[in-house]
Amino acid sequence: GAGVSQSPSNKVTEKGKDVELRCDPISGHTALYWYRQSLGQGLEFLIYFQGNSAPDKSGLPSDRFSAERTGGSVSTLTIQRTQQEDSAVYLCASRRTVGELFFGEGSRLTVL
Amino acid sequence: QQPVQSPQAVILREGEDAVINCSSSKALYSVHWYRQKHGEAPVFLMILLKGGEQKGHEKISASFNEKKQQSSLYLTASQLSYSGTYFCGTGDTDKLIFGTGTRLQVFP
Repeated sequence: GAGVSQSPSNKVTEKGKDVELRCDPISGHTALYWYRQSLGQGLEFLIYFQGNSAPDKSGLPSDRFSAERTGGSVSTLTIQRTQQEDSAVYLCASRRTVGELFFGEGSRLTVL
Repeated sequence: QQPVQSPQAVILREGEDAVINCSSSKALYSVHWYRQKHGEAPVFLMILLKGGEQKGHEKISASFNEKKQQSSLYLTASQLSYSGTYFCGTGDTDKLIFGTGTRLQVFP
């Protein structure tokens, strides 16, 4: 596609349920990032994938969070046993190895 | 480690100038600048790859001082469209960590 695509754009879930957020990066982009943005806050780094290298998971806030990237393209961020503090916009971005980051429109997660 | 931006917020009248600073406690190899409008995704403004380098984008320019581990974003003759939150991004060769953000509001 022309840009980074994220789905769902909005997700409302109950506390304790698992959620999956999907990111489809720009074709040919080898680097893929996930960030979290709580209301009125900055961009919190979560995880980074580069090609076939092991991902940098240093930003994941707890073991309830995990992410995969299949075939070097689509990525899924999974949050298990969601908590209210997980409510935020989850942004995905991709780029060629270096240079400008292209962001998706984000997935807004609300945990009731 | 997250870079620190200052000021946290700026209010301007159209036509006024502003400077946003970004400081890191770690050595900088590159600095990115992005602008995020309310309810939208961040959009790339520019990247600086060398110490002391200045780049420009219309009336927005930036400098990068490797030794001081700092970058500054200069907004000249601000326009209403400049309103938004500005983020600097720094890191090693791969991971990009964003700063605390500076909220800029331009009024007529």
